[in-house]
Amino acid sequence: TQLLEQSPQFLSIQEGENLTVYCNSSSVFSSLQWYRQEPGEGPVLLVTVVTGGEVKKLKRLTFQFGDARKDSSLHITAAQTGDTGLYLCAGAGNAGNMLTFGGGTRLMVKP
Amino acid sequence: DADVTQTPRNRITKTGKRIMLECSQTKGHDRMYWYRQDPGLGLRLIYYSFDVKDINKGEISDGYSVSRQAQAKFSLSLESAIPNQTALYFCATSDRKTGGRYFGAGTRLSVL
Repeated sequence: TQLLEQSPQFLSIQEGENLTVYCNSSSVFSSLQWYRQEPGEGPVLLVTVVTGGEVKKLKRLTFQFGDARKDSSLHITAAQTGDTGLYLCAGAGNAGNMLTFGGGTRLMVKP
Repeated sequence: DADVTQTPRNRITKTGKRIMLECSQTKGHDRMYWYRQDPGLGLRLIYYSFDVKDINKGEISDGYSVSRQAQAKFSLSLESAIPNQTALYFCATSDRKTGGRYFGAGTRLSVL
């Protein structure tokens, strides 16, 4: 069974601060996805990273896939209150289509 | 209109009752999924279907069944609900190329 651990589980910061959340596993994934979920809604796909060492930027969000494809990080620069939500990472196994989800990082950005 | 629609959005039921959660999609995807979300446990896969004639168990299928009535419709049933099935349930679709999931807004189920 492939497991994904996310840290921290909870994070509360002030608007304007930077933050990084982590997604770690002992297993290798063929790709890794990040989602954001807001209260009362389903998760929304933010990005998919495929290549070891890959870095993708989405405005103030920077996603990195580890060289060994076992871990990933999400860095947010100058957080805004609209970034508040639950961030989930999900790894795809070698079969490609099955995803393993991490437990999530719940982020609160205070004004 | 939402691409993936789940009904009902909220449901309260009693132990032993049979209930059905419905999902329909307009994304044209072949692949559909049912997940369950519990605090701190992320999303766990209950059942998935890669096309109308294909049904597969996920990691926590006990106590659940599904029906793929058409490419666009995938329903989840709890034959005899029990309190530990209280959770948020999500339907999702994916395309074959990217595998990224497109989720519905969820059904909040409480079993008393």
